[in-house]
Amino acid sequence: QSVLTQPPSVSAAPGQKVTISCSGSSSNIGNNYVSWYQQLPGTAPKLLIYENNKRPSGIPDRFSGSKSGTSATLGITGLQTGDEADYHCVTWDNSLSAGVFGGGTKLTVL
Amino acid sequence: QLQLQESGPGLVKPSETLSLTCTVSGGSITINNYYWDWIRQPPGKGLEWMGSIYYSGSTYYNPSLKSRVTISIDTSKNQFSLKLSSVTAADTAVYFCARHGHHFDVGAWGQGTLVTVSS
Repeated sequence: QSVLTQPPSVSAAPGQKVTISCSGSSSNIGNNYVSWYQQLPGTAPKLLIYENNKRPSGIPDRFSGSKSGTSATLGITGLQTGDEADYHCVTWDNSLSAGVFGGGTKLTVL
Repeated sequence: QLQLQESGPGLVKPSETLSLTCTVSGGSITINNYYWDWIRQPPGKGLEWMGSIYYSGSTYYNPSLKSRVTISIDTSKNQFSLKLSSVTAADTAVYFCARHGHHFDVGAWGQGTLVTVSS
């Protein structure tokens, strides 16, 4: 059981938009920055979004992040088949004094 | 460009100690404001943060693993290491070494190494 809650799967057609939610509490998302990662099959995760809504260099602006209260959202527009991957949210939990991950969301581009 | 590479046995017997080393190249392990992590992922499951170390030697462990985990650092070799004691089949996972910044953004990852716990 992950501390952060993500939907197990989402799907959308090529060219469409999808959002992935990440729900937590005041001890984690509510008081800390959230980052998002893309994990292609058989590879290490890759940082997509940091500090809630910032993109590292090289990450296209099709990817966006937002946070409100104790929830965060990853948005992906202009979906491509290459976006099929697992997406993970991460933050720090002040009560646990630990880094905490969501369970991951599998994106299928139909 | 910063690179991280895990190394160590791919098979460990139950009740023994799992030991892995991460070699950092393309940058110094003594860089300020970055922490060095071990993160694992059981087959078909999500990611789990195991712990972090700063170049000064300060460590932070996942409470669920704290009694079994030790992370150390060797700045002369630009390496940091993981020891996980009393392993069981539940510790079978891909183990990643990584680096995170001040706000726990993990910007650098090793490729990961699969460790299987089996007799």
